[in-house]
Amino acid sequence: GDSVTQMEGPVTLSEEAFLTINCTYTATGYPSLFWYVQYPGEGLQLLLKATKADDKGSNKGFEATYRKETTSFHLEKGSVQVSDSAVYFCALGKAAGNKLTFGGGTRVLVKP
Amino acid sequence: GAGVSQSPSNKVTEKGKDVELRCDPISGHTALYWYRQSLGQGLEFLIYFQGNSAPDKSGLPSDRFSAERTGGSVSTLTIQRTQQEDSAVYLCASRPGGAGWNTGELFFGEGSRLTVL
Repeated sequence: GDSVTQMEGPVTLSEEAFLTINCTYTATGYPSLFWYVQYPGEGLQLLLKATKADDKGSNKGFEATYRKETTSFHLEKGSVQVSDSAVYFCALGKAAGNKLTFGGGTRVLVKP
Repeated sequence: GAGVSQSPSNKVTEKGKDVELRCDPISGHTALYWYRQSLGQGLEFLIYFQGNSAPDKSGLPSDRFSAERTGGSVSTLTIQRTQQEDSAVYLCASRPGGAGWNTGELFFGEGSRLTVL
């Protein structure tokens, strides 16, 4: 079945550091890929998405490129802030499917 | 409010009791999902409703779990004879119906935290 694997956390960084969270997937067909973020005390919200190979999703300084050849969708941000402290989830959705399949989540803690 | 609303936000119960968790989706959203988020784990799909179609129950972990959606809007997730391993955050999400994920995304509520003693 479809699956998403992402690096385990927690990831602890200093402010202005570079952040990478690895995400790889296994799926048949051509899924859409997503990053969701869960800030403390809040519900999950969509951060960015990419719907086909080589697409780059971007939002709030975060970027991720859909790499079909490596089945990856790594999340990056060049200079993190304390407010980026959250749990980040990678997910995939199939065009004909009913649900999103999520990875295990990666907790990121940014220290001043 | 305009978002997905869940209640209760916190529920503590004793092992063996039944619990009901409620979800109010965004108005007009025909698709509704329940996920479970256990400590240190990812999101586990439980059940999906789409309009008047038969729900996709493939993620329900046992027959102690059931869910219904009345009038195509509010949904209730019921856990009977709760066990300690049921302790988790139960998340509800909704989205507009329609084809594929190219334009769709899930809108999540803040969850109901269930603790079974």
